[in-house]
Amino acid sequence: DTEVTQTPKHLVMGMTNKKSLKCEQHMGHRAMYWYKQKAKKPPELMFVYSYEKLSINESVPSRFSPECPNSSLLNLHLHALQPEDSALYLCASREGSIAGETQYFGPGTRLLVL
Amino acid sequence: AQSVTQPDIHITVSEGASLELRCNYSYGATPYLFWYVQSPGQGLQLLLKYFSGDTLVQGIKGFEAEFKRSQSSFNLRKPSVHWSDAAEYFCAVGAVSGGYQKVTFGIGTKLQVIP
Repeated sequence: DTEVTQTPKHLVMGMTNKKSLKCEQHMGHRAMYWYKQKAKKPPELMFVYSYEKLSINESVPSRFSPECPNSSLLNLHLHALQPEDSALYLCASREGSIAGETQYFGPGTRLLVL
Repeated sequence: AQSVTQPDIHITVSEGASLELRCNYSYGATPYLFWYVQSPGQGLQLLLKYFSGDTLVQGIKGFEAEFKRSQSSFNLRKPSVHWSDAAEYFCAVGAVSGGYQKVTFGIGTKLQVIP
């Protein structure tokens, strides 16, 4: 099973709301990622978790707050977002050793900030 | 830093025709190369990958890609395109940086298939 699941599929929120995106994988992968993808653009890396610890934050604004409660679950907490944060948010998990990496992607959460 | 160039933003092919999507990469060491496909509103699905060994890589859905180090290229091919192949295709290069692996995506090529 090479499935990464993400909920919700769609989310509409106001700029004062607090919401969370959820990502789950049961493949035993120990690295998980959040990407942001704007329309007609490639995915851009936001965060990397390795063994439940935040390894990389690609200078993401603090209104995005990641959390990795366990090795199977990755959350992205959203607060005080801006309309320009509207995008498809993709989660991925990594298999394999450091010498060879394949990332498996979830279907994404399409976020609209009003 | 690594980078990926996909020179064709949009390609139209007839169903049954052959397909080649171009990808050029820039990286100082041996690259890890990937092709992903994304249908509208969906996540990315891995088509194939190259890490080492045979430079002709077979993937899912009848796709293959050839790694050519001398040309810094990793072009994706399919001998006969099906209407269901219409999607966005991303070439990506993976590299180790600061102890973790970072994947950099190209801008993508949108494939349109006409009857």
